[in-house]
Amino acid sequence: AQSVSQHNHHVILSEAASLELGCNYSYGGTVNLFWYVQYPGQHLQLLLKYFSGDPLVKGIKGFEAEFIKSKLSFNLRIPSVQWSDTAEYFCAVISGGGADGLTFGKGTHLIIQP
Amino acid sequence: GAGVSQTPSNKVTEKGKYVELRCDPISGHTALYWYRQSLGQGPEFLIYFQGTGAADDSGLPNDRFFAVRPEGSVSTLKIQRTERGDSAVYLCASSLNGITEAFFGQGTRLTVV
Repeated sequence: AQSVSQHNHHVILSEAASLELGCNYSYGGTVNLFWYVQYPGQHLQLLLKYFSGDPLVKGIKGFEAEFIKSKLSFNLRIPSVQWSDTAEYFCAVISGGGADGLTFGKGTHLIIQP
Repeated sequence: GAGVSQTPSNKVTEKGKYVELRCDPISGHTALYWYRQSLGQGPEFLIYFQGTGAADDSGLPNDRFFAVRPEGSVSTLKIQRTERGDSAVYLCASSLNGITEAFFGQGTRLTVV
């Protein structure tokens, strides 16, 4: 079965710092990759996704994630964190053409100090 | 509706009671997922439907948990003989086809006292 590892469980940073959150998955076949964010008191929201094509995907506020197939990784990068980025960040994977469902990592709790 | 809707938003029940949690997915989405999330943890997979059938129910913790999706739309998660350890936020998500991104509801916070 697919598994997803996130290496940083709790991160505390000051505003304007840069950040990379690691994500590795175990199944090496065709995958669709996601980063979800959960702001305090809110539901899970999609942040970034990768299905195919350019392995570097970009989102709002300079967020980006890079798929490296050889490393089975999909790391999230935030170039300059803001206080409003305080949230839980989850990496997730769909593999097996969808038959394996959507598997989440345990998440990273990011706290930004103003 | 515009998004995934879960009812109730909060449920407090006594140990040993039976509960049902409802999920209304986005119209036209064939895939539906149930997860359980405890404080500070990631979503724990419970069950995944494609249409009316359970494609994967390997995450259901024991036979007290059961889920149905009889018409391929609304799903109900059923928990019998609830235990205090069942207390968590139960999340539902739907996806167009099980390959694209999933959209989550607000969750049902279940508290077993």
